[in-house]
Amino acid sequence: DVKVTQSSRYLVKRTGEKVFLECVQDMDHENMFWYRQDPGLGLRLIYFSYDVKMKEKGDIPEGYSVSREKKERFSLILESASTNQTSMYLCASGPAGGGDTQYFGPGTRLTVL
Amino acid sequence: DAKTTQPPSMDCAEGRAANLPCNHSTISGNEYVYWYRQIHSQGPQYIIHGLKNNETNEMASLIITEDRKSSTLILPHATLRDTAVYYCIVTSYNTDKLIFGTGTRLQVFP
Repeated sequence: DVKVTQSSRYLVKRTGEKVFLECVQDMDHENMFWYRQDPGLGLRLIYFSYDVKMKEKGDIPEGYSVSREKKERFSLILESASTNQTSMYLCASGPAGGGDTQYFGPGTRLTVL
Repeated sequence: DAKTTQPPSMDCAEGRAANLPCNHSTISGNEYVYWYRQIHSQGPQYIIHGLKNNETNEMASLIITEDRKSSTLILPHATLRDTAVYYCIVTSYNTDKLIFGTGTRLQVFP
């Protein structure tokens, strides 16, 4: 089975802090994604990556950056956390040429105070 | 991407078939229908997808109408663990940008 793990299930940070959310997948997938999920807004794509050191902006990249130094790891960075970034963050991976089949991690619920 | 319309909620008795409808009247010829579900406090889970033919796997069946303007996800014998939000997504193959709507909240009751 595909396994996508995220570094924390729950995280509490203060406004202005730099936050790193880590995601690791064990299926050698080329594609990796970061979403956030908010009530009433559904899942929204923040960034995605097709390969190591490659990144593409999703629909809501403002306030975020990403890093993909290794194929299995995709990090989401909040340079200076703000309260409006309180959300559930979901990482996903998928194979190249796999259509739109994505495998999701359990999510990190981030609270910014 | 074409938009989809799903009922906000449905109930189903345990052991019965759950039939979840989805309308996608503006779907274009190269767009697929994908279904995901999200159980409470978990990440979304891929269920099934199709283009024009009906599809079946170990989790569910997908019935797509001949004009492709609507589809139905069928869980043949619903269990309590099938209680979740089910998302119908229409997307061009390999866009890698899934757009999740608000889905259908399926409640399976004993």
